Amino acid sequence: NAGVTQTPKFQVLKTGQSMTLQCAQDMNHEYMSWYRQDPGMGLRLIHYSVGAGITDQGEVPNGYNVSRSTTEDFPLRLLSAAPSQTSVYFCASSRTGDGNTQYFGPGTRLTVL
Amino acid sequence: DAKTTQPNSMESNEEEPVHLPCNHSTISGTDYIHWYRQLPSQGPEYVIHGLTSNVNNRMASLAIAEDRKSSTLILHRATLRDAAVYYCILRDDRDDKIIFGKGTRLHILP
Repeated sequence: NAGVTQTPKFQVLKTGQSMTLQCAQDMNHEYMSWYRQDPGMGLRLIHYSVGAGITDQGEVPNGYNVSRSTTEDFPLRLLSAAPSQTSVYFCASSRTGDGNTQYFGPGTRLTVL
Repeated sequence: DAKTTQPNSMESNEEEPVHLPCNHSTISGTDYIHWYRQLPSQGPEYVIHGLTSNVNNRMASLAIAEDRKSSTLILHRATLRDAAVYYCILRDDRDDKIIFGKGTRLHILP
């Protein structure tokens, strides 16, 4: 049981490049989400999903796309990277329902030059 | 927007109890109160959660006010490893999303 895994751990992009951050979980959790955390700041919700085929926007969705074709995977796509997207990105998963807790991945540290 | 209010920072001495407060005056009857913490350079980790009754686990205790408009996370004997940002969260029961607030940065003094 690996929990929530994220790849890559580190990434450097140039402005305008695109890339996909991968997130996978092996706990059969319906709910998955992406957060970004800028230096010294709290976590902000980018996108979330309550099941395969269902996604919704969080607090800061602009510049990011997501899809959920399987229960296990929830990739985050940066369409055209900008320096403002330099951040640490965390993926999380949980069962749906208010009484359930989220499990977080180790994070991806992204730098956009 | 986050539905909870916490102090920005707190200090405590090592090996003493710590009481971290959280206000959630707009809590609904079905909202669970969740606490997470984030150690330096790590992702958030679950601490404890509860609905109405006080809760205990190996990490902490959660005391919930009778009217549920506030709660307190209790670390019974703080260690240096407990220095972290602690987040009090109400999960949105309409769509399951979890919005983090700014949390409380806990400093432990040796």
